[in-house]
Amino acid sequence: AQSVAQPEDQVNVAEGNPLTVKCTYSVSGNPYLFWYVQYPNRGLQFLLKYITGDNLVKGSYGFEAEFNKSQTSFHLKKPSALVSDSALYFCAVRGRAAGNKLTFGGGTRVLVKP
Amino acid sequence: DAGVIQSPRHEVTEMGQEVTLRCKPISGHNSLFWYRQTMMRGLELLIYFNNNVPIDDSGMPEDRFSAKMPNASFSTLKIQPSEPRDSAVYFCASITLGQQNTGELFFGEGSRLTVL
Repeated sequence: AQSVAQPEDQVNVAEGNPLTVKCTYSVSGNPYLFWYVQYPNRGLQFLLKYITGDNLVKGSYGFEAEFNKSQTSFHLKKPSALVSDSALYFCAVRGRAAGNKLTFGGGTRVLVKP
Repeated sequence: DAGVIQSPRHEVTEMGQEVTLRCKPISGHNSLFWYRQTMMRGLELLIYFNNNVPIDDSGMPEDRFSAKMPNASFSTLKIQPSEPRDSAVYFCASITLGQQNTGELFFGEGSRLTVL
């Protein structure tokens, strides 16, 4: 069975400081990995994904994530956080076998303080 | 370009009443998913359809829940009878079947259900 762990329920960071949201996964074989963001009272929005190739993927709003196969991690990063980045962030994984479903982590709330 | 459209956005009902949530996927998408989000359980996949056919309903909590997709542009999630523990935000998402593995899901804004 595949799973995703986001070990931090909440991350607090000052505006302008780097932001990291952690994600580790468990899946058979090579994974497809995704990050989504959810603003209050909104649906989830896609940020970025890792499918294959370069381990560092860049996404929307200045976010990037690094795939680390040996550590089974896919941490989300942003060099300089904005107050508007305050939201709920979800990591998700899907195995490459046909029919595998997308499995979401529990989410990490990010609070960026001015 | 309209995204996934869900209705109602908010629903407050009393225990025992029937609730119907509606979803219109993005035109051209042929795979549709229903998720439930609660504080306690996070995001749970309830059921998904490919080409209007239910593929996996193992996440549907019990027989009180049912979902249909009569055509490519419309799906319903019904709860009958509703209970307070069904209170949650229900999301619909869609994707093109061929992109199901590598593509990103497009989510609606959600339907917030409160059962009193």
